[in-house]
Amino acid sequence: ELQLVESGGGLVQPGGSLRLSCAASGFTFSNDNMHWVRQGIGKGLEWVSVIDTAGGTVYADSVKGRFTISRENDKNALYLQMNSLRGGDTAVYYCVRGVGRASVLDPWGQGTLVTVSS
Amino acid sequence: EIVMTQSPATLSVSPGERATLSCRASQSVNGALAWYQQKPGQAPRLLISAASTRATGVPARFSGGGSGTEFTLTISSLQSEDFAVYYCQQYHHWPTFGQGTKVEIK
Repeated sequence: ELQLVESGGGLVQPGGSLRLSCAASGFTFSNDNMHWVRQGIGKGLEWVSVIDTAGGTVYADSVKGRFTISRENDKNALYLQMNSLRGGDTAVYYCVRGVGRASVLDPWGQGTLVTVSS
Repeated sequence: EIVMTQSPATLSVSPGERATLSCRASQSVNGALAWYQQKPGQAPRLLISAASTRATGVPARFSGGGSGTEFTLTISSLQSEDFAVYYCQQYHHWPTFGQGTKVEIK
């Protein structure tokens, strides 16, 4: 069974940093692009970032220069380093597999909540 | 950025009735359109990709259609488990989502 399990969320002050992790299982992790998608409380979905199989990365404008996506294929792990956090970054962050070379997102992890507040 | 617009924001439907959800893209997405279902407290679940291809395990009552900039998701006969929020997403470029349509019990 394909599974993604996020961890690392929590409460952080504005300007602070947090590192999210995602543990993948049930598929060949190194063969797939991996994404982070976030959802503000009671709001819609916002794509955050992608890392491809070669380690190439792309970011949404809203997080560019503040967030860094990375992966460790030998550990089946995906990460999101979040710096200079703002209130607008408060959201549930989902780790998601990109199917094939397209950004069809499946499956999704259960999400981890990041709250930026003083 | 390709902007995705869904309508209506809320759709009130009785169980057993048909529901049609709409999604419009600000430019052509060449059929690179997916639909997701999200229930309260759960992560989104892929329903449809390539505008009309059902994901594994998705019931046949869900169907997708459209091309270019106009797409639809139809649920032919709503079951109790179908009341949820539905999002469209384009993947012609880096992903963008519509704002969602909530399907609620009438």
